[in-house]
Amino acid sequence: SAVISQKPSRDICQRGTSLTIQCQVDSQVTMMFWYRQQPGQSLTLIATANQGSEATYESGFVIDKFPISRPNLTFSTLTVSNLSPEDSSIYLCSGSGTSGGSYEQYFGPGTRLTVT
Amino acid sequence: AQSVTQLGSHVSVSEGALVLLRCNYSSSVPPYLFWYVQYPNQGLQLLLKYTTGATLVKGINGFEAEFKKSETSFHLTKPSAHMSDAAEYFCAVESGAGSYQLTFGKGTKLSVIP
Repeated sequence: SAVISQKPSRDICQRGTSLTIQCQVDSQVTMMFWYRQQPGQSLTLIATANQGSEATYESGFVIDKFPISRPNLTFSTLTVSNLSPEDSSIYLCSGSGTSGGSYEQYFGPGTRLTVT
Repeated sequence: AQSVTQLGSHVSVSEGALVLLRCNYSSSVPPYLFWYVQYPNQGLQLLLKYTTGATLVKGINGFEAEFKKSETSFHLTKPSAHMSDAAEYFCAVESGAGSYQLTFGKGTKLSVIP
Protein backbone atom coordinates (compact mmCIF):
# COMPACT_ATOMS: atom_id res chain seq x y z
CA SER A 1 0.00 0.00 0.00
CA ALA A 2 0.95 3.65 -0.08
CA VAL A 3 0.20 6.65 2.08
CA ILE A 4 -0.34 9.87 0.20
CA SER A 5 -0.31 13.37 1.59
CA GLN A 6 -1.37 16.60 -0.07
CA LYS A 7 -0.62 20.21 0.67
CA PRO A 8 -2.46 22.46 1.19
CA SER A 9 -5.56 20.76 2.53
CA ARG A 10 -7.64 23.77 1.57
CA ASP A 11 -7.19 27.26 0.22
CA ILE A 12 -9.18 30.30 -0.75
CA CYS A 13 -7.76 32.08 -3.77
CA GLN A 14 -8.65 35.15 -5.73
CA ARG A 15 -9.73 35.09 -9.31
CA GLY A 16 -6.82 35.28 -11.74
CA THR A 17 -4.22 33.83 -9.40
CA SER A 18 -2.79 30.30 -9.35
CA LEU A 19 -2.61 27.53 -6.79
CA THR A 20 -0.01 24.78 -6.70
CA ILE A 21 -0.90 21.55 -4.94
CA GLN A 22 1.77 19.16 -3.77
CA CYS A 23 1.37 15.39 -3.59
CA GLN A 24 3.84 13.21 -1.69
CA VAL A 25 3.83 9.40 -1.59
CA ASP A 26 5.60 7.46 1.13
CA SER A 27 6.89 4.87 -1.37
CA GLN A 28 7.69 4.69 -5.05
CA VAL A 29 4.69 4.31 -7.33
CA THR A 30 4.61 3.65 -11.03
CA MET A 31 1.75 5.98 -11.82
CA MET A 32 0.36 9.16 -10.31
CA PHE A 33 -2.93 10.74 -11.24
CA TRP A 34 -4.74 14.00 -10.61
CA TYR A 35 -8.52 14.20 -10.30
CA ARG A 36 -11.11 16.89 -9.82
CA GLN A 37 -14.18 16.20 -7.74
CA GLN A 38 -16.95 18.75 -7.66
CA PRO A 39 -19.33 18.73 -4.69
CA GLY A 40 -21.54 15.66 -4.69
CA GLN A 41 -19.99 14.35 -7.87
CA SER A 42 -17.73 11.53 -8.93
CA LEU A 43 -14.09 11.88 -9.83
CA THR A 44 -12.97 13.32 -13.14
CA LEU A 45 -9.46 12.45 -14.25
CA ILE A 46 -7.44 15.52 -15.16
CA ALA A 47 -4.17 13.89 -16.15
CA THR A 48 -1.63 11.18 -15.59
CA ALA A 49 1.61 12.53 -14.16
CA ASN A 50 4.54 10.88 -15.94
CA GLN A 51 7.90 10.78 -14.24
CA GLY A 52 10.46 12.72 -16.23
CA SER A 53 8.15 13.63 -19.09
CA GLU A 54 5.09 15.68 -19.90
CA ALA A 55 1.81 14.70 -18.28
CA THR A 56 -0.91 13.00 -20.30
CA TYR A 57 -4.09 15.08 -20.21
CA GLU A 58 -7.68 13.92 -20.57
CA SER A 59 -10.09 15.51 -22.95
CA GLY A 60 -11.11 18.94 -21.77
CA PHE A 61 -7.98 19.58 -19.73
CA VAL A 62 -4.94 21.42 -21.09
CA ILE A 63 -1.41 21.94 -19.91
CA ASP A 64 -1.64 25.72 -19.87
CA LYS A 65 -4.46 25.58 -17.34
CA PHE A 66 -3.25 22.57 -15.33
CA PRO A 67 0.54 22.29 -15.53
CA ILE A 68 1.83 19.18 -13.79
CA SER A 69 5.28 18.16 -12.69
CA ARG A 70 6.59 14.81 -11.54
CA PRO A 71 10.31 15.01 -10.85
CA ASN A 72 10.57 11.57 -9.23
CA LEU A 73 8.58 8.46 -8.33
CA THR A 74 7.20 9.83 -5.06
CA PHE A 75 6.26 13.45 -5.75
CA SER A 76 4.05 15.47 -8.07
CA THR A 77 2.55 18.92 -8.25
CA LEU A 78 -0.57 20.25 -9.95
CA THR A 79 -0.99 23.94 -10.62
CA VAL A 80 -4.40 25.37 -11.35
CA SER A 81 -3.73 28.57 -13.27
CA ASN A 82 -5.70 31.72 -13.94
CA LEU A 83 -8.32 30.78 -11.40
CA SER A 84 -12.02 31.38 -11.91
CA PRO A 85 -14.94 30.50 -9.64
CA GLU A 86 -15.59 27.47 -11.86
CA ASP A 87 -12.32 25.99 -10.60
CA SER A 88 -13.71 25.74 -7.09
CA SER A 89 -13.53 22.04 -6.40
CA ILE A 90 -11.68 19.30 -4.57
CA TYR A 91 -8.47 18.15 -6.22
CA LEU A 92 -7.23 14.65 -5.44
CA CYS A 93 -4.01 12.93 -6.29
CA SER A 94 -3.51 9.20 -6.34
CA GLY A 95 -0.72 6.71 -6.84
CA SER A 96 -0.78 3.24 -8.30
CA GLY A 97 1.61 0.43 -9.07
CA THR A 98 3.37 -0.04 -5.79
CA SER A 99 5.83 -2.89 -5.37
CA GLY A 100 3.89 -6.08 -5.98
CA GLY A 101 2.32 -4.71 -9.15
CA SER A 102 -1.23 -4.17 -7.95
CA TYR A 103 -3.57 -1.88 -9.84
CA GLU A 104 -5.45 -0.24 -7.03
CA GLN A 105 -5.01 3.47 -6.55
CA TYR A 106 -4.26 5.07 -3.23
CA PHE A 107 -5.64 8.53 -2.70
CA GLY A 108 -4.56 11.60 -0.88
CA PRO A 109 -7.02 13.43 1.38
CA GLY A 110 -7.72 16.08 -1.23
CA THR A 111 -7.28 19.82 -1.54
CA ARG A 112 -10.42 21.92 -1.28
CA LEU A 113 -10.09 25.02 -3.44
CA THR A 114 -12.47 27.96 -3.25
CA VAL A 115 -12.05 30.77 -5.76
CA THR A 116 -13.53 34.15 -4.90
CA ALA B 1 -14.03 1.59 -23.51
CA GLN B 2 -14.75 0.62 -19.96
CA SER B 3 -17.72 2.04 -18.08
CA VAL B 4 -19.29 1.65 -14.67
CA THR B 5 -22.92 2.06 -13.71
CA GLN B 6 -23.99 2.38 -10.10
CA LEU B 7 -27.71 1.95 -9.65
CA GLY B 8 -29.11 4.37 -7.13
CA SER B 9 -27.36 7.60 -6.33
CA HIS B 10 -28.74 7.44 -2.80
CA VAL B 11 -29.52 4.38 -0.69
CA SER B 12 -30.99 4.46 2.81
CA VAL B 13 -30.99 1.50 5.17
CA SER B 14 -31.85 1.03 8.80
CA GLU B 15 -29.10 0.28 11.27
CA GLY B 16 -28.63 -3.50 11.39
CA ALA B 17 -30.18 -4.05 7.96
CA LEU B 18 -28.50 -5.50 4.89
CA VAL B 19 -26.52 -3.10 2.73
CA LEU B 20 -26.59 -3.74 -1.01
CA LEU B 21 -24.95 -1.31 -3.41
CA ARG B 22 -25.14 -2.20 -7.06
CA CYS B 23 -22.43 -1.91 -9.66
CA ASN B 24 -22.41 -3.04 -13.26
CA TYR B 25 -19.48 -2.64 -15.58
CA SER B 26 -18.58 -3.00 -19.20
CA SER B 27 -15.14 -4.10 -20.21
CA SER B 28 -13.63 -5.67 -23.28
CA VAL B 29 -11.09 -7.56 -21.22
CA PRO B 30 -11.24 -9.46 -17.92
CA PRO B 31 -11.66 -6.60 -15.50
CA TYR B 32 -10.00 -5.55 -12.32
CA LEU B 33 -12.75 -4.15 -10.11
CA PHE B 34 -12.67 -2.00 -7.02
CA TRP B 35 -14.91 -0.47 -4.40
CA TYR B 36 -13.87 2.70 -2.64
CA VAL B 37 -15.47 4.58 0.24
CA GLN B 38 -15.29 8.31 0.82
CA TYR B 39 -16.20 9.78 4.17
CA PRO B 40 -17.09 13.47 4.33
CA ASN B 41 -14.14 15.77 3.68
CA GLN B 42 -11.76 12.88 3.11
CA GLY B 43 -10.08 11.14 0.20
CA LEU B 44 -11.05 7.74 -1.14
CA GLN B 45 -10.21 4.60 0.78
CA LEU B 46 -10.00 1.18 -0.86
CA LEU B 47 -12.65 -1.18 0.51
CA LEU B 48 -11.88 -4.23 -1.60
CA LYS B 49 -10.72 -5.37 -5.01
CA TYR B 50 -11.16 -8.21 -7.46
CA THR B 51 -8.31 -9.10 -9.77
CA THR B 52 -8.28 -12.85 -10.32
CA GLY B 53 -9.22 -16.00 -8.43
CA ALA B 54 -12.07 -16.26 -5.96
CA THR B 55 -15.08 -14.30 -7.14
CA LEU B 56 -16.27 -13.46 -3.64
CA VAL B 57 -13.89 -10.96 -2.14
CA LYS B 58 -13.87 -9.66 1.38
CA GLY B 59 -12.84 -6.21 2.33
CA ILE B 60 -12.49 -3.99 5.31
CA ASN B 61 -15.26 -3.08 7.75
CA GLY B 62 -17.24 -6.26 7.02
CA PHE B 63 -17.94 -5.48 3.37
CA GLU B 64 -17.75 -8.02 0.60
CA ALA B 65 -18.47 -8.11 -3.12
CA GLU B 66 -19.05 -10.83 -5.65
CA PHE B 67 -17.77 -10.73 -9.21
CA LYS B 68 -20.36 -12.21 -11.57
CA LYS B 69 -19.02 -12.31 -15.08
CA SER B 70 -22.29 -13.49 -16.63
CA GLU B 71 -24.10 -10.51 -15.14
CA THR B 72 -21.16 -8.07 -15.51
CA SER B 73 -21.79 -7.09 -11.91
CA PHE B 74 -19.77 -6.42 -8.80
CA HIS B 75 -22.30 -5.61 -6.11
CA LEU B 76 -21.18 -4.58 -2.64
CA THR B 77 -22.85 -6.03 0.43
CA LYS B 78 -22.67 -5.93 4.19
CA PRO B 79 -24.94 -8.08 6.34
CA SER B 80 -25.61 -5.49 9.03
CA ALA B 81 -25.31 -1.74 8.56
CA HIS B 82 -23.67 0.41 11.17
CA MET B 83 -24.03 4.15 11.60
CA SER B 84 -20.37 4.55 10.75
CA ASP B 85 -21.01 3.09 7.27
CA ALA B 86 -22.74 6.29 6.17
CA ALA B 87 -20.54 7.57 3.34
CA GLU B 88 -20.21 7.78 -0.44
CA TYR B 89 -19.27 4.56 -2.22
CA PHE B 90 -17.61 4.38 -5.61
CA CYS B 91 -17.24 1.37 -7.87
CA ALA B 92 -14.34 1.44 -10.33
CA VAL B 93 -12.90 -0.68 -13.11
CA GLU B 94 -9.30 -0.68 -14.26
CA SER B 95 -9.17 0.61 -17.74
CA GLY B 96 -7.28 -2.31 -19.18
CA ALA B 97 -4.04 -2.84 -21.02
CA GLY B 98 -2.08 -2.23 -17.87
CA SER B 99 -2.74 1.50 -17.91
CA TYR B 100 -3.45 1.65 -14.16
CA GLN B 101 -6.23 4.13 -14.96
CA LEU B 102 -9.54 3.63 -13.20
CA THR B 103 -12.97 4.46 -14.52
CA PHE B 104 -15.30 5.41 -11.67
CA GLY B 105 -19.02 5.14 -11.31
CA LYS B 106 -21.01 8.17 -10.24
CA GLY B 107 -21.15 7.03 -6.66
CA THR B 108 -23.85 5.94 -4.23
CA LYS B 109 -24.46 7.84 -1.05
CA LEU B 110 -25.36 5.49 1.77
CA SER B 111 -27.43 6.80 4.65
CA VAL B 112 -27.97 4.70 7.77
CA ILE B 113 -31.10 5.39 9.78
CA PRO B 114 -30.92 4.73 13.52
